[in-house]
Amino acid sequence: AQTVTQSQPEMSVQEAETVTLSCTYDTSESDYYLFWYKQPPSRQMILVIRQEAYKQQNATENRFSVNFQKAAKSFSLKISDSQLGDAAMYFCAYTQRNAGNMLTFGGGTRLMVKP
Amino acid sequence: EPEVTQTPSHQVTQMGQEVILHCVPISNHLYFYWYRQILGQKVEFLVSFYNNEISEKSEIFDDQFSVERPDGSNFTLKIRSTKLEDSAMYFCASMYGGVNTEAFFGQGTRLTVV
Repeated sequence: AQTVTQSQPEMSVQEAETVTLSCTYDTSESDYYLFWYKQPPSRQMILVIRQEAYKQQNATENRFSVNFQKAAKSFSLKISDSQLGDAAMYFCAYTQRNAGNMLTFGGGTRLMVKP
Repeated sequence: EPEVTQTPSHQVTQMGQEVILHCVPISNHLYFYWYRQILGQKVEFLVSFYNNEISEKSEIFDDQFSVERPDGSNFTLKIRSTKLEDSAMYFCASMYGGVNTEAFFGQGTRLTVV
């Protein structure tokens, strides 16, 4: 079975600084997708960024980028120029192609942004 | 912007009672999901639903659980006889289709079994 691990229960960053959230996963599959979801307090989870395993290029969405290391099964999220609105729970998630699109989540990292 | 809506936001029920959690997915989406998160633990997959039938379910989704899409818009999760360990946040999600499309989540229903 696939597992996703987020080793940092909490992280803190100063506004305008950069922070990296870690995620590792375990799978024997070669064709899969990885995601980072953000969950602000009392709000629904929203997709931040996704990465297809077959793509070598790291995904980027504005201030958010990933460092995808397929051999190491590592998928970290970098947030540049952190803003107060970035404060949230961040979940790393995995899905395997042709597996009903169900997501396997990590335990989450609570990100605090200090003004 | 279209969103997934869940009701109620919080439900308190007595052990042994039946409870139905409601979700209205995004209207043109084809795949529907329920996940749950017990306090302090990971978000766990329960069930996926496509083409009016269950496509995948986890070992958590036993005979006490059922899902329905009764009227083409609502997507419900029923727990027949609730246990204390069913207390959790339940999230509904929907997706248009394909692995590379985004899953949209509702805000969740917090179920408390007393």
